[in-house]
Amino acid sequence: GQNIDQPTEMTATEGAIVQINCTYQTSGFNGLFWYQQHAGEAPTFLSYNVLDGLEEKGRFSSFLSRSKGYSYLLLKELQMKDSASYLCAVNSNYQLIWGAGTKLIIKP
Amino acid sequence: AAGVIQSPRHLIKEKRETATLKCYPIPRHDTVYWYQQGPGQDPQFLISFYEKMQSDKGSIPDRFSAQQFSDYHSELNMSSLELGDSALYFCASSFRTGPSSYEQYFGPGTRLTVT
Repeated sequence: GQNIDQPTEMTATEGAIVQINCTYQTSGFNGLFWYQQHAGEAPTFLSYNVLDGLEEKGRFSSFLSRSKGYSYLLLKELQMKDSASYLCAVNSNYQLIWGAGTKLIIKP
Repeated sequence: AAGVIQSPRHLIKEKRETATLKCYPIPRHDTVYWYQQGPGQDPQFLISFYEKMQSDKGSIPDRFSAQQFSDYHSELNMSSLELGDSALYFCASSFRTGPSSYEQYFGPGTRLTVT
């Protein structure tokens, strides 16, 4: 079967760093995406990893280990506007298989 | 930059009615995806089209159908609506053979409420 696991909810402090983990088991793998979704809005693209290693984009970084079926999203210098759900999604044979999302709560 | 357009943004229907949702992908994108997202849930893949042909089918009910037209816009037709069909319906598009070939760009969504 296809399965993607990520924590349901995390809490962090403004200005701090938070790491959101994602583990996956899918029948195919054409890359892993991280999306940000504010309540009632469309998911917006954050990052894409297809090779092992770290991809850095401003305050956000994403890491992938294909052998371990593992990824994480690292958010630095947290801002209140980062409060959102973060969805891990694996492209498996041209379909996006989604995790249930991690709700990130930022406290002042 | 042009984004994915969805129409209407909000729709209220009664049980057993029909609804048609429209999606206009980003120009030159060759793939369209439809998702259903219930409250507090992750997006559920319904169906996708590549170059106007059905590409993949997910958890789309038999009451729903979709197609992609010659101008690449897509329509999701929903019949015999049920209360459980109330959800956000997202359309996404991608350029399958481009440099970021698997990145999907999402439209703003259509909020369907069935009463």
